Amino acid sequence: NAGVTQTPKFRVLKTGQSMTLLCAQDMNHEYMYWYRQDPGMGLRLIHYSVGEGTTAKGEVPDGYNVSRLKKQNFLLGLESAAPSQTSVYFCASGRFGSYNEQFFGPGTRLTVL
Amino acid sequence: DAKTTQPTSMDCAEGRAANLPCNHSTISGNEYVYWYRQIHSQGPQYIIHGLKNNETNEMASLIITEDRKSSTLILPHATLRDTAVYYCIVRSVQGAQKLVFGQGTRLTINP
Repeated sequence: NAGVTQTPKFRVLKTGQSMTLLCAQDMNHEYMYWYRQDPGMGLRLIHYSVGEGTTAKGEVPDGYNVSRLKKQNFLLGLESAAPSQTSVYFCASGRFGSYNEQFFGPGTRLTVL
Repeated sequence: DAKTTQPTSMDCAEGRAANLPCNHSTISGNEYVYWYRQIHSQGPQYIIHGLKNNETNEMASLIITEDRKSSTLILPHATLRDTAVYYCIVRSVQGAQKLVFGQGTRLTINP
C-alpha cells in the first residue's frame, strides 16, 4: 500500500494563478483532511470530508475550495493564489470510528510569489 | 476540543528515556489524549492515544494522571531518529475526528 500520496511535491505560483493539489489514499478511509503548516507553527485544518461527496470547513478555509468526488481522492483548490497561501500543505486520512488515528501524506510545498 | 500546554523544547541523551509532559486541565470526559510527532519536513506520525488508563505500544508509553488534567509521553530508549516535534492533542470521540495542533515540543536527542 502506498498510504497517502500527494501531488505535486513542490510548486511555485504567481499571485492570482490557480492550482489544484491532489491527495490520494489507498486504505479505503472514509475521512480525509487538508492542513496547512506555516514556519514554526503546528498544522491548521483547512477543510475536511467525512465521506464521498461531502466536505466541510475547518479552521482556515478562506481562499480554498475542496472536492471529494471519489472516496480515495480529496482535491484542494486555490482559485486565485496569494502570497499568504505560501505554506506546506498536508493531506491526511482516517477510518470511520472514534478512536482511529490519522495517516498523513508527505506534504506539498507551495510558494506564491 | 480542549487546549494543551507543552514545553517549547527539550533535550535528552541517546539511550535514555525521554519524558514529554502535557497539560490539558480543561479536558472533558469524552476527550482522548493523542500524541503525534513530526520529523523534520515530513507529515505527522501517530504515536499513541489514551482515555484514562496508561497505554503502551511498540513506540511509547502514555501516562495519564488520575484527574486526567495532564499526561506524559515516554520514549523508553531514545535514539537520534526520535528527534522531532511532538504534539499532544486532546480530541473528542464524537464528530469528524478533527485534530487541533498546538506548537508542540521540539525534542532533540543528543549523542
